[in-house]
Amino acid sequence: AQKVTQAQTEISVVEKEDVTLDCVYETRDTTYYLFWYKQPPSGELVFLIRRNSFDEQNEISGRYSWNFQKSTSSFNFTITASQVVDSAVYFCALSEEALISSGSARQLTFGSGTQLTVLP
Amino acid sequence: NAGVTQTPKFQVLKTGQSMTLQCAQDMNHEYMSWYRQDPGMGLRLIHYSVGAGITDQGEVPNGYNVSRSTTEDFPLRLLSAAPSQTSVYFCASSPGDRVYEQYFGPGTRLTVT
Repeated sequence: AQKVTQAQTEISVVEKEDVTLDCVYETRDTTYYLFWYKQPPSGELVFLIRRNSFDEQNEISGRYSWNFQKSTSSFNFTITASQVVDSAVYFCALSEEALISSGSARQLTFGSGTQLTVLP
Repeated sequence: NAGVTQTPKFQVLKTGQSMTLQCAQDMNHEYMSWYRQDPGMGLRLIHYSVGAGITDQGEVPNGYNVSRSTTEDFPLRLLSAAPSQTSVYFCASSPGDRVYEQYFGPGTRLTVT
């Protein structure tokens, strides 16, 4: 069974600080996908990044960066120079193939989320 | 494209009432799914469909029914609402060959009293 653990329930930082959100996953598949989503106070889910299990290259997008390490089954997310607008709940998710009654399908498993509060 | 739409946005039900949460997508996606989001638990999969006429259960299917008569629509039915079904419900869709590419609707906030 797949599992995603976000051990940090809540994090609070002051604006301009760097912050890292941790994500640890468990899977038996060799082919899987990892995601990060942002859920601002308005409630919608905003897709941030997808990574497949064969691509361990770290990625940077503006102030966001992601560190994928298969050896430790982690996919951590760092926000550099945080801003008040970064305040949100952040979810890590894992997608792997799952057997179902009609064959197989990919299913998405979410972590419990990390509430990030950036104080001015 | 409107993407994934959900109606209603908010709903209050009394225990025992039934209702249907609507979900529609205009991207011709084969794969659609329903999740519920509860505090401290992330999103959990309720039901999903890999195409018209094919549905299957997810992690928390009890108390919910689904059907998929068209590619566009994937309604979620609560047959007899219970307070434990108070939650935020998200619908998602994705292309059949890129199921990892999920598009989420804006969510429906349901309260059962």
